[in-house]
Amino acid sequence: QKEVEQDPGPLSVPEGAIVSLNCTYSNSAFQYFMWYRQYSRKGPELLMYTYSSGNKEDGRFTAQVDKSSKYISLFIRDSQPSDSATYLCAMEDDKIIFGKGTRLHILP
Amino acid sequence: DTGVSQNPRHKITKRGQNVTFRCDPISEHNRLYWYRQTLGQGPEFLTYFQNEAQLEKSRLLSDRFSAERPKGSFSTLEIQRTEQGDSAMYLCASRAGDHYGYTFGSGTRLTVV
Repeated sequence: QKEVEQDPGPLSVPEGAIVSLNCTYSNSAFQYFMWYRQYSRKGPELLMYTYSSGNKEDGRFTAQVDKSSKYISLFIRDSQPSDSATYLCAMEDDKIIFGKGTRLHILP
Repeated sequence: DTGVSQNPRHKITKRGQNVTFRCDPISEHNRLYWYRQTLGQGPEFLTYFQNEAQLEKSRLLSDRFSAERPKGSFSTLEIQRTEQGDSAMYLCASRAGDHYGYTFGSGTRLTVV
């Protein structure tokens, strides 16, 4: 079992829909959780950085962490075509460990 | 430019040749990381530095790979005797310290032919 599991998609949703992206992990020692967005041929860009369990909101983005289930989520409200990208979940011990990434397409 | 800078952006090389990539981190960031990303995969950790000290190397980093960070500023990643399996995007990231997100550069795309 890989340390971080993420469905690679692709996931296609109509513009304006709520998007839900998820990851599971196996290492209960992880305390810091991140979501990165990566456009084609670019480096990953940090979207959300959270500590331990709970919710964090930033504009149209909400990150949730459930440490008891080893499950993290990213919600995107009012999705836009410009949100089309690959979304990478990541967790940290002394370095970041990434999931495979989910390719998201927002259809105009 | 206050971001992480990587050069070159693209490199095409013949199998067996040596290549070197450079990363210039954000100036006040003391930690620097190298990752490798292949198509359809998330970035995989290779190695990281705190200032000039190389603190950890992944087992992915074979003897053909070497990284340096002289004087704790820019870093170089060298691959000797390249193989086709080395074709990937090589990403550099830096951070200010513990419990901050990493800032990534745009990467160097290596193609070994």
